[in-house]
Amino acid sequence: DAGVIQSPRHEVTEMGQEVTLRCKPISGHDYLFWYRQTMMRGLELLIYFNNNVPIDDSGMPEDRFSAKMPNASFSTLKIQPSEPRDSAVYFCASSFSLAGTSTDTQYFGPGTRLTVL
Amino acid sequence: QKEVEQNSGPLSVPEGAIASLNCTYSDRGSQSFFWYRQYSGKSPELIMSIYSNGDKEDGRFTAQLNKASQYVSLLIRDSQPSDSATYLCAPLSWGKLQFGAGTQVVVTP
Repeated sequence: DAGVIQSPRHEVTEMGQEVTLRCKPISGHDYLFWYRQTMMRGLELLIYFNNNVPIDDSGMPEDRFSAKMPNASFSTLKIQPSEPRDSAVYFCASSFSLAGTSTDTQYFGPGTRLTVL
Repeated sequence: QKEVEQNSGPLSVPEGAIASLNCTYSDRGSQSFFWYRQYSGKSPELIMSIYSNGDKEDGRFTAQLNKASQYVSLLIRDSQPSDSATYLCAPLSWGKLQFGAGTQVVVTP
């Protein structure tokens, strides 16, 4: 399996621009997670989906952030408008289940390093 | 109080020695516990998972869980320079991984 795929790997944009991050989960995984990592706040969960349905978006910082999962193999995280404080590494992860067993393991993609100037 | 507490380090360990990493968590409802390793500039990768009290061994790694004390630890035996990384403790609670800030481990030759 190719693992979790994210694109782009690096994104540099100017304040006010729209940014779209993309993720393809591992085939067969029913759960998809978006995380953000910064030096100050560490690794924090933004939102997660189960079978393409958003389950918990309490970590989404504000209305400028939105996420969608139109099908089982694709998800996007959009920031509009972007601000310098959004600069971070954004990770996508997927898992087969959340059943309290080994199938809970979340596998992370390589991440997208976002820089907002 | 942070939900997941880890010593930030760096934890300096001589090559061949045992590295001991500790983690405490606040949510008693946590059922699954994961240790991830993250190299600088890379994504987290799973090292160990543990679901019940006691010890679990996998190669040079041993995870220990004590739910009554809300404590989970990771031992790395025969530490190698390639073990130099940040280790993230992550209890799973209500469907969400709660990551600690991580412990940086530096293995010195």
